Amino acid sequence: GDSVTQTEGPVTVSESESLIINCTYSATSIAYPNLFWYVRYPGEGLQLLLKVITAGQKGSSRGFEATYNKETTSFHLQKASVQESDSAVYYCALGGTGGNNKLTFGQGTVLSVIP
Amino acid sequence: DPKIIQKPKYLVAVTGSEKILICEQYLGHNAMYWYRQSAKKPLEFMFSYSYQKLMDNQTASSRFQPQSSKKNHLDLQITALKPDDSATYFCASSQDLDWGGYEQYFGPGTRLTVL
Repeated sequence: GDSVTQTEGPVTVSESESLIINCTYSATSIAYPNLFWYVRYPGEGLQLLLKVITAGQKGSSRGFEATYNKETTSFHLQKASVQESDSAVYYCALGGTGGNNKLTFGQGTVLSVIP
Repeated sequence: DPKIIQKPKYLVAVTGSEKILICEQYLGHNAMYWYRQSAKKPLEFMFSYSYQKLMDNQTASSRFQPQSSKKNHLDLQITALKPDDSATYFCASSQDLDWGGYEQYFGPGTRLTVL
């Protein structure tokens, strides 16, 4: 089946440092999956951070970036300079294309940013 | 105002009983979903509905029955509850189902504990 593996947390980073959360996927039932990063801030619900639906493309939002790499089956999340407000749980997910909107999630990575 | 309402927020049940989890979305979406997150496991897809019709069922047990009385409602009935059913259940919705790039919006979840 399809699966997503991401950096096991918790991850602790000092403010203004760079961040990378690794995500690799295996899409056995989907030839060209759509890739997503979702985030859950403390006390809030799960919300979309960014998505990329075309291999080779980069998505960005709130200073975060992720590039869809089909060769390495990866979708790593990066940010050049984190802020304390970035403390949250980050989830990598893959979705189907056309008639199958099921999302397969990674286990989530807890990020704590120290001021 | 919350766009996806899930009720109740917390639910405690005894083994063997039956409960209904409520989900209403006010986004005007045509597709709705249920996901489950058990302790230390990734979010797991359960069902998808489109225009009140079941499209995908990844739940092995018939004890889980979604019910859609209105286009913007997708409740989840769980019968013969077991302790293993303890999890947080998330409802989600998207504009449509026929393209995997549609963003899914998630509700706040119902945390179910089965004693």
